[in-house]
Amino acid sequence: DAGVIQSPRHEVTEMGQEVTLRCKPISGHDYLFWYRQTMMRGLELLIYFNNNVPIDDSGMPEDRFSAKMPNASFSTLKIQPSEPRDSAVYFCASSSAPGQGSFEQYFGPGTRLTVT
Amino acid sequence: QQQVKQSPQSLIVQKGGISIINCAYENTAFDYFPWYQQFPGKGPALLIAIRPDVSEKKEGRFTISFNKSAKQFSLHIMDSQPGDSATYFCAASILTGGGNKLTFGTGTQLKVEL
Repeated sequence: DAGVIQSPRHEVTEMGQEVTLRCKPISGHDYLFWYRQTMMRGLELLIYFNNNVPIDDSGMPEDRFSAKMPNASFSTLKIQPSEPRDSAVYFCASSSAPGQGSFEQYFGPGTRLTVT
Repeated sequence: QQQVKQSPQSLIVQKGGISIINCAYENTAFDYFPWYQQFPGKGPALLIAIRPDVSEKKEGRFTISFNKSAKQFSLHIMDSQPGDSATYFCAASILTGGGNKLTFGTGTQLKVEL
């Protein structure tokens, strides 16, 4: 398996523009997580899905952020409009259900977002 | 109550030495405690994890020590090597009820010097 795939790897955009980050989880994984990593706040969970359904979005910072998972192999995180304080590395991770014996979350390589 | 406090923020160890990173938590409902390792430009990767029914788990040079009564757990890296230089994150989650919502510590930058 290729692991969790994220695109783009780097994104530079201007304040006010819409940004869409993409994630392909590991095939067969039931859970998908979106994290944000910054020096100030560390690794923060934004939202996670189970079987394509959002379970907990309490970490989404504000209404400018939205996430979707239209099918088991694809998810997007959208920021509209983007602001400089959104600059961070965004990670997608996936895992199988805890009841299946493995609790490991596999992280993608991340998307480094810079909003100028 | 969801916080996981990690220390130190950074650590420099000589090659062959022991690296020790500590974490503390408040929420007694946490039942899964993993450690993740992150290299620059990469996503975090699971290093080792422990459940609260054991006090210690060892995998190669890496050991987790867990103290349930003190609500603390630590990572020990024996015979530290330059290749171990990375950022280490402790985390905690509640697995019961499904899901694995990880709460991460703030990270420790480890540098192993020759």
